[in-house]
Amino acid sequence: AQSVTQLDSHVSVSEGTPVLLRCNYSSSYSPSLFWYVQHPNKGLQLLLKYTSAATLVKGINGFEAEFKKSETSFHLTKPSAHMSDAAEYFCALSWSNTGKLIFGQGTTLQVKP
Amino acid sequence: DTAVSQTPKYLVTQMGNDKSIKCEQNLGHDTMYWYKQDSKKFLKIMFSYNNKELIINETVPNRFSPKSPDKAHLNLHINSLELGDSAVYFCASSQGQNEKLFFGSGTQLSVL
Repeated sequence: AQSVTQLDSHVSVSEGTPVLLRCNYSSSYSPSLFWYVQHPNKGLQLLLKYTSAATLVKGINGFEAEFKKSETSFHLTKPSAHMSDAAEYFCALSWSNTGKLIFGQGTTLQVKP
Repeated sequence: DTAVSQTPKYLVTQMGNDKSIKCEQNLGHDTMYWYKQDSKKFLKIMFSYNNKELIINETVPNRFSPKSPDKAHLNLHINSLELGDSAVYFCASSQGQNEKLFFGSGTQLSVL
């Protein structure tokens, strides 16, 4: 079975400090992994995508994520948080060209001044 | 220009009514989707269409009927609305399956 677990429902950081949003996955196949961001009252926007090429994936707005097969993890990081990063973040998984995207429960990122 | 647009943005209706949500994408994508986001922000796929053909139907009640008149449109019709249907419904599209999804801004459905 395929599943995605985001380990923190809420993360709070100060502006200028690093961000770490954790995601673990379970998949019987070689998965494609994604991080999406959702700002209030908006649709989801893709931050980055892993598809079995480089294990360190760089995305938009300074975010990056590292695929670790041994730990079945795909954590999202950013060196320095901006106020505009405050949003809901979703880790997601797809596999075998099914077109089906399984989402984690989401992590709310709060950025304090 | 909006890539994936859905209307209406808000929909408030009574139980038992029938309503539709429309979605259009101008990206030339061949695959479109409907996702449901519940009050706990959990997102789950409902349907996907590839070139107007139903690909995924994720055990959604048959009160929900998607319709794709062409590959740029995927509408969602809901019959006999129930309280539990209250959620935010997102339309999305992609070029090919397993690829990057582009989402609309959502339709917040409230069933009273």
